[in-house]
Amino acid sequence: EEQLVESGGGLVQPGGSLRLSCAASGFTVSSNYMSWVRQAPGKGLEWVSILYSDDTTHYADSVKGRFAISRDNSRNTLYLQMNSLRAEDTAVYYCARHHFGVGLDYWGQGTLVTVSS
Amino acid sequence: DIQMTQSPSTLSASVGDRVTITCRASQTISSWLAWYQQKPGKAPKLLIYKASSLEGGVPSRFSGSGSGTEFTLTISSLQPDDFATYYCQQYNNYPWTFGQGTKVEIK
Repeated sequence: EEQLVESGGGLVQPGGSLRLSCAASGFTVSSNYMSWVRQAPGKGLEWVSILYSDDTTHYADSVKGRFAISRDNSRNTLYLQMNSLRAEDTAVYYCARHHFGVGLDYWGQGTLVTVSS
Repeated sequence: DIQMTQSPSTLSASVGDRVTITCRASQTISSWLAWYQQKPGKAPKLLIYKASSLEGGVPSRFSGSGSGTEFTLTISSLQPDDFATYYCQQYNNYPWTFGQGTKVEIK
């Protein structure tokens, strides 16, 4: 059974850094397109980033240059390195698998990131 | 960026009602549109992909239609488990974008 489990969220000060992890089971992260989506408290969904199987990456303009998506094939884990964090980055962060042509078909449970002094 | 506009933002309906949600794209996205259902405190769940294809395990009362810039999600007979927020999402161009959501409430 395919499963995604995020971790690494927490409280961080503005300007700080945090790395989120997303451990996958039931499928291979490196063979799939993997994405991060976030949701600010009480708000809608915002796509953040995607990593292709060929290492191509794309980012939302709001995080470009501050966030970096990567994976560790040996751990079957996706990461999101978040630097220069701002209050507006406060959100639940979900990792999800993008099944090509289908959409985001498997999602983790989310991890909350709070940026506040 | 492609803007996705859903209407209505909130919908009040009763069990058994036929419900339709509309999603409009600011430019053509062919059929690269997905619909998700989200319940409070939970991750979104994929319902429909490529505008009209039903994801495995999703009840057949859900259907999607449209192409280009105008799309609809229809629930043929609303069930108690369907009260939730629904989002459309385009995956034709980066950055991918979501609609603002439609909350389906109990009337």
